[in-house]
Order: sequence, then C-alpha cells, then structure tokens
Amino acid sequence: QVQLQESGPGLVKPSGTLSLTCTVSGDSINSYNWWTWVRQPPGKGLEWIGEIYHYGGPNYNPSLKSRVTISMDESKNQFSLQLISVTAADTAVYYCAKLLRPVNVYDFWGQGTLVTVSS
Amino acid sequence: DIQMTQSPSSLSASVGDRVTITCRASQYISNFLNWYQQKPGKAPKVLIYAASSLHSGVPSRFNGSGSGTDFTLTISSLHPEDFATYFCQQSYSTPYSFGQGTKLQIK
Repeated sequence: QVQLQESGPGLVKPSGTLSLTCTVSGDSINSYNWWTWVRQPPGKGLEWIGEIYHYGGPNYNPSLKSRVTISMDESKNQFSLQLISVTAADTAVYYCAKLLRPVNVYDFWGQGTLVTVSS
Repeated sequence: DIQMTQSPSSLSASVGDRVTITCRASQYISNFLNWYQQKPGKAPKVLIYAASSLHSGVPSRFNGSGSGTDFTLTISSLHPEDFATYFCQQSYSTPYSFGQGTKLQIK
C-alpha cells in the first residue's frame, strides 16, 4: 500500500518561503509515476501546483511558476515543494499525490497539511 | 489552460435518490477526466478515472460517462456516506485543472 505524508511548518510569515516535504512509502519515487503537489484554500476548490518525475519535469502551474520549485531526494524517497514570496492568498491545505500513468489519475494522496501565512 | 466547469455547485437530495453532476471542459480532453469525492478534513479519493472506469473498491452505484468536452457523474441510489463534495479533474494537459466542486447535501 502506497502512503504519502506531508511535513513542514504550519505557519509562514508574509514574504517568506513555504517549504514542504512529502515522504513516500510503499513505492519508489524512481518509478514511472509523476509526483504532484495540489493545494486547497479553506472552503475552496483544488489547485494543481506542479509535478515531478524521475525521468523528466518538473512541470508547474503557470500561475505559480515564478515562485515555485519542486525537487526530489531519491535517497530519502521524498519530494519537496518550495514557494517563495508568500502572501495570505497562499494559505491552504497542501496535498502531495501520486499520478498513476498512463491513465493519469491521482490514486494516492497524503492526508494534507495546513499552512497559514500570517505575521 | 483548460477550464473545468461543474454544475450544480450544490445539490440537496435524499437517501435513495439518483443524482447527476456534470462537468464541461473548455476544450477537447478526450477521456482524460477523473472524478473525486472529498469529505470534510480529508484528502480527495478517486471514484472514476478515464471518464468511465470505476476505481478499485468504489461501489457500482457510481457511474461516469462522456468524452470530448462533456462529462457526467451519476450516483444511482444515494447512500448516507455519499454526502460529500465531488470534483472533476482533467488530466489531458498540464496544469491538470479541477472543477470548482459540487457539494451534495442531505435534503
């Protein structure tokens, strides 16, 4: 059974950097799957942030591309999200998820972690 | 970017009712359309992938159809555990966008 677990600070100051890590168990991030970050502001819908793949990527949402970096640490079976210059609009629950190829569906998700941007 | 429009945004129904949720893509996405169910405080769970394929372990009362730009999710007979929010998602081209969600409430 694949499991994903997000970790990182729950509070970030405005203009600061949001950094989260997703630890994967039950699968290798070197597999033929894409690893993704999705966020959900409180009470709102889902926003795709970006994805990374052992053999390619990363791909980013154009709306966030200037501020976001997704990377992999294969030795730890983890992938990470960094979002710079955050504002209150970046307050959200952040999920990591696994994209199953070739059907392109998110079949496993982390439980999500709330990140609040506030001074 | 592809925009996904779901309707209705909210829906009230009773146990045993048949309900249908629609999702429209702003451009052609073939059958790269997924449906997820989300309950409060939980991550989304996949119900249907590739427009009409039932994910493992999902009850057969959930049915997806459509291709191209227009898609539907039908729940044939509502169970108490089905009251949740439903999202469609296109996975045809990045950024993989989601619909705004349909909140299914008990009447």
